[in-house]
Amino acid sequence: AQSVTQLGSHVSVSEGALVLLRCNYSSSVPPYLFWYVQYPNQGLQLLLKYTTGATLVKGINGFEAEFKKSETSFHLTKPSAHMSDAAEYFCAVRSQTGANNLFFGTGTRLTVIP
Amino acid sequence: DSGVTQTPKHLITATGQRVTLRCSPRSGDLSVYWYQQSLDQGLQFLIQYYNGEERAKGNILERFSAQQFPDLHSELNLSSLELGDSALYFCASSVTSPANEQFFGPGTRLTVL
Repeated sequence: AQSVTQLGSHVSVSEGALVLLRCNYSSSVPPYLFWYVQYPNQGLQLLLKYTTGATLVKGINGFEAEFKKSETSFHLTKPSAHMSDAAEYFCAVRSQTGANNLFFGTGTRLTVIP
Repeated sequence: DSGVTQTPKHLITATGQRVTLRCSPRSGDLSVYWYQQSLDQGLQFLIQYYNGEERAKGNILERFSAQQFPDLHSELNLSSLELGDSALYFCASSVTSPANEQFFGPGTRLTVL
């Protein structure tokens, strides 16, 4: 079975500082991994995804994530935080039992301090 | 705008009642997924339909049911509502391929009083 664990339900960073949101996955087969962002009162928007190939994945809004099989991790980073990055971030792994549904982590709320 | 639409945006109802949530997928997407987001359970997969047929079930209660119509829109029916059913209900659609992303609608916020 697939699952993801997000370490830290709340992360605060200063504007301009590095953003690091942690995600570890559990999967018995090569995983398909996703990061989504949810702004207040909105749906989820895809930031980036890893399926196969290059392990460093670049997404929208300057975010990137690196798939590390040896560490079973898929941490999300951004070199310099912007006030508009304040939101909730969800890591997800796709089910590979045929349904292709997503299993989400519990989310990390990012606060950016001016 | 993801291209997925959901109605209504907000729904307030009483315990014991029945409601229907509607979702229209992106043009061309055959798969529709329903998810529930609540404070205590987080984001959970409920059910998936593909081209009108049920494909997979997740943590969906027996009081809940869904269907997908020939025009590919989907409805989620929630009956005998309880206070604990209060949540955000998201619909997502995708082209059927494991590597393809799911596009999420804005959600329906259900409040059961």
